[in-house]
Amino acid sequence: SQTIHQWPATLVQPVGSPLSLECTVEGTSNPNLYWYRQAAGRGLQLLFYSVGIGQISSEVPQNLSASRPQDRQFILSSKKLLLSDSGFYLCAWGASTDTQYFGPGTRLTVL
Amino acid sequence: GESVGLHLPTLSVQEGDNSIINCAYSNSASDYFIWYKQESGKGPQFIIDIRSNMDKRQGQRVTVLLNKTVKHLSLQIAATQPGDSAVYFCAETGYSTLTFGKGTMLLVSP
Repeated sequence: SQTIHQWPATLVQPVGSPLSLECTVEGTSNPNLYWYRQAAGRGLQLLFYSVGIGQISSEVPQNLSASRPQDRQFILSSKKLLLSDSGFYLCAWGASTDTQYFGPGTRLTVL
Repeated sequence: GESVGLHLPTLSVQEGDNSIINCAYSNSASDYFIWYKQESGKGPQFIIDIRSNMDKRQGQRVTVLLNKTVKHLSLQIAATQPGDSAVYFCAETGYSTLTFGKGTMLLVSP
């Protein structure tokens, strides 16, 4: 069966510090991978998606970036965090452009 | 632009009642719909899906109804339990990615 992992589970970072969130998927090959952000009490905002290694599509221009160095690894990064980057970050995978399955999420607080 | 939205932000029910959560969509090209459940502090969990060539699909205690005429989607939960308390999202796909609604919080009282 397929599983998706995210780490860390929680993170508190100062403004201006770098960020690296990691997502890995097991039990499937060549998945579509997605990064979402969810602000408190809000819906899901798609940040990036990838249909293959090295292929990244950005949905929202901002100070975040994503990379996919391996088939089942998706990384969300920032060189300098802003207060507005606080939120719940979710990684998801899908075998096609239909159903997506989500990871447990990372709670990021920028102080 | 096209969007997916929910009618009720919060729904409170008693344990054992049936719950109905509604969702309106505006993209007539949408051909696949999903309901997710998200418990506090966790990632969304897939509940049930339906394709546009169907108008009803049943799972365990859950039923999704699709009315393409009025672009309406609903999730029915039978015999609601306290463990069903969560935020429920509908999502649609007609293009390359899913579009999510803002969510409805379901509160189940014992």
